[in-house]
Amino acid sequence: GQQVMQIPQYQHVQEGEDFTTYCNSSTTLSNIQWYKQRPGGHPVFLIQLVKSGEVKKQKRLTFQFGEAKKNSSLHITATQTTDVGTYFCAGITSGTYKYIFGTGTRLKVLA
Amino acid sequence: NAGVTQTPKFQVLKTGQSMTLQCAQDMNHEYMSWYRQDPGMGLRLIHYSVGAGITDQGEVPNGYNVSRSTTEDFPLRLLSAAPSQTSVYFCASSKGQGGRPNTEAFFGQGTRLTVV
Repeated sequence: GQQVMQIPQYQHVQEGEDFTTYCNSSTTLSNIQWYKQRPGGHPVFLIQLVKSGEVKKQKRLTFQFGEAKKNSSLHITATQTTDVGTYFCAGITSGTYKYIFGTGTRLKVLA
Repeated sequence: NAGVTQTPKFQVLKTGQSMTLQCAQDMNHEYMSWYRQDPGMGLRLIHYSVGAGITDQGEVPNGYNVSRSTTEDFPLRLLSAAPSQTSVYFCASSKGQGGRPNTEAFFGQGTRLTVV
């Protein structure tokens, strides 16, 4: 079945350092979404990518969708303490209706 | 707008008991889903629905039942609770196109379930 893995599982950075999390799917995805979950909270939508090779930016966050539509990345420039949380990717395989989430990357930012 | 409402927020069950987790959305979304979240496992899809009267299994459906009699409600039933079902449960909804979600998912606040 469809599997979505994320690396790393955990990342500790000093405030001001950059951070990247990678998402890899075993199948080709129709689209990919990214979510952020603060400790004790629920996942909150960040962005959706649909096209092969697509790159989108939101202030300090840069999202990429791979050419083969099987991988994606989220890069945060100059992390801040407000970036703390777990980042999930989620995708749906063409021809299915199952929206599968990745395993998540937990980010801690040290002030 | 209420968005996605889950009840209860917390629940303790004894092994073998049954219960229903409630989920309601007021956004007229076609697609609704239930996930469980365990440490280090991310969010795993239990069941999903592409519209009223239509449900299907996700990645980890065993021990759970769902129904979708209306667009708004998507309850999750635990048939005979087991300690392995201790988890945080999230309900989510999103707009669909041809039954497939194509926009952001809105999540409920979650239900923290402990089975003893």
